[in-house]
Amino acid sequence: EVILTQSPDTLSLSPGETATLSCRASQSISAGFLAWYQQRPGQSPRLLIYGASTRASGVPKRFSGRGSGTDFTLTISSLEPEDIAVYYCQQYGGSPLYTFGQGTKLDIK
Amino acid sequence: QVQLVQSGGEVKKPGASVKVSCKTSGYRFSSYGINWVRQAPGQRLEWMGWSSGYNGKPKYAEKFQDRVIMTTDTSTTTVYMDLRNLTSADTAVYYCARELAVADYFSMDVWGQGTTVTVS
Repeated sequence: EVILTQSPDTLSLSPGETATLSCRASQSISAGFLAWYQQRPGQSPRLLIYGASTRASGVPKRFSGRGSGTDFTLTISSLEPEDIAVYYCQQYGGSPLYTFGQGTKLDIK
Repeated sequence: QVQLVQSGGEVKKPGASVKVSCKTSGYRFSSYGINWVRQAPGQRLEWMGWSSGYNGKPKYAEKFQDRVIMTTDTSTTTVYMDLRNLTSADTAVYYCARELAVADYFSMDVWGQGTTVTVS
């Protein structure tokens, strides 16, 4: 099983700042198999990034992803109050087929 | 637009079964698989299994292999997840999510609203 570990657990920033979220895999994975989701309070997860760096339909350009091998990053620039959420990384492959990180909670001061 | 609408919340006794439905609309059903993912209180998202939109063939996570059944009704484009022998550890929000499988990229691009299952 591929274990995904996200850091930090919680991030508190001010509007306009840049958030950098990390996702580390327990073994090397294909970048194509790495995705990021946003889950706002009381809502279902929303796909932000797939293939490590491709924004999903309708996702603002403020959201960007990069990485390869075992280390992946989600960057959110010009933070807005609506970005308050928990962010999850997800990988595909192996058994179980999909696994998720434990999440990073983003607070806006 | 693409929508996944799930059935309402359930309260079950330990040892019982629960069946959650996921009604899909707005896209060609046969072209996409449907995943089931659950989220227990304070826990990370957990993948339970997948149903093919093409032929209904399921693929289950080993953890749930012995007590989950995923079925498909192509006439109503509805997918069902049946979980048996419930325990308190199965208390969670259950989501269905459409699989986006494009050019070797695998993710879940549309999610249902979630179904809360409480075992008590």
